[in-house]
Amino acid sequence: DAGVIQSPRHEVTEMGQEVTLRCKPISGHNSLFWYRQTMMRGLELLIYFNNNVPIDDSGMPEDRFSAKMPNASFSTLKIQPSEPRDSAVYFCASSPSTSGTSQYFGPGTRLTVL
Amino acid sequence: KNEVEQSPQNLTAQEGEFITINCSYSVGISALHWLQQHPGGGIVSLFMLSSGKKKHGRLIATINIQEKHSSLHITASHPRDSAVYICAVRLGDQLTFGSGTQLTVLP
Repeated sequence: DAGVIQSPRHEVTEMGQEVTLRCKPISGHNSLFWYRQTMMRGLELLIYFNNNVPIDDSGMPEDRFSAKMPNASFSTLKIQPSEPRDSAVYFCASSPSTSGTSQYFGPGTRLTVL
Repeated sequence: KNEVEQSPQNLTAQEGEFITINCSYSVGISALHWLQQHPGGGIVSLFMLSSGKKKHGRLIATINIQEKHSSLHITASHPRDSAVYICAVRLGDQLTFGSGTQLTVLP
């Protein structure tokens, strides 16, 4: 199995632009998590899905952030408009279920907003 | 919200030394994870445990539910163990992360 796949691996954009991050979970996993990692705040959960349904998006920082999971094999995290303080590494992780199992992390997308 | 404290924040050891990283949390949990983040940024799940002790190779993780404390031990440490080790606690479906311990093992 290829593991969790994220794209792009690096993204540099200008303030105000729309950014879309993509994630393909491990086949057969029915839970997907989006995390953000910064030096100041460490790893934070943004949102997670179970069976393609958003369960908890309380970690999403603002309305500028949105996430979708149109099917079991694909999810997006969109930032519109982007701001310099959104610069971080965004990780996607999947697991066979929401609880009782380990999560498998993707390689992350390093986002820089100028 | 669970508060997760890791110690030490930074640790430098000589190759072969026995390493201990500690994690304390404030609220009862259903499970605790130990993650390893490589210098390149990738994150690997090392252990998930809810009681007792688990061992994998040179790595050992223990948890004391009553004391709300977990330790990660590395025996016979090696420079390739150099990484950030992150403790994460699970309550319900949510994971709350510690700030990580930067481990450097010198040859």
